[in-house]
Amino acid sequence: SQQGEEDPQALSIQEGENATMNCSYKTSINNLQWYRQNSGRGLVHLILIRSNEREKHSGRLRVTLDTSKKSSSLLITASRAADTASYFCATVLNTGTASKLTFGTGTRLQVTL
Amino acid sequence: GAVVSQHPSRVICKSGTSVKIECRSLDFQATTMFWYRQFPKKSLMLMATSNEGSKATYEQGVEKDKFLINHASLTLSTLTVTSAHPEDSSFYICSARRFGYGYTFGSGTRLTVV
Repeated sequence: SQQGEEDPQALSIQEGENATMNCSYKTSINNLQWYRQNSGRGLVHLILIRSNEREKHSGRLRVTLDTSKKSSSLLITASRAADTASYFCATVLNTGTASKLTFGTGTRLQVTL
Repeated sequence: GAVVSQHPSRVICKSGTSVKIECRSLDFQATTMFWYRQFPKKSLMLMATSNEGSKATYEQGVEKDKFLINHASLTLSTLTVTSAHPEDSSFYICSARRFGYGYTFGSGTRLTVV
């Protein structure tokens, strides 16, 4: 079953603006990860935040995690046309010997010139 | 780094035939690989966890006889879609977990059944 819900489903902004995507999940997690997917391609790992962390930065990316609300946000600052892609949050649930990644519904980001 | 190669990237097959998709970890050994299915503009749905040397663990609702998974070596997992039907047309993605590197994804396979 789908673990996370993301909003908005689609986001269109202009180059230079910031983009914020939100993710909510349902159960306790070990960590939460954000991935990017260009159309028709595989996924690229962007950033991981552990359950005991509240905020993390990587370049133009800023991720927050609120475990009390079971939510996370991804902020992309000073967006570029090349940031156009779908973004997914994913949570890790340890089950037995395998840690499975479960994905949110995704946000399709369009950055226009 | 951790690189996962998935092949083929695109395949078209006739209804009733079988298609095999390969997922290889190129520079590391992967005891566990994962297979996902993605519908257009939708999220990734985990189909099964592929375990080297043992049977795959399928998610609820996934037909194990329809989607055969083999993980015969530490660097190769295959997904065979048997007796394919048009409703099996989808984007299939594999991933492998490498300790210290997290999850690495293949580039996906676009399957079209005609």
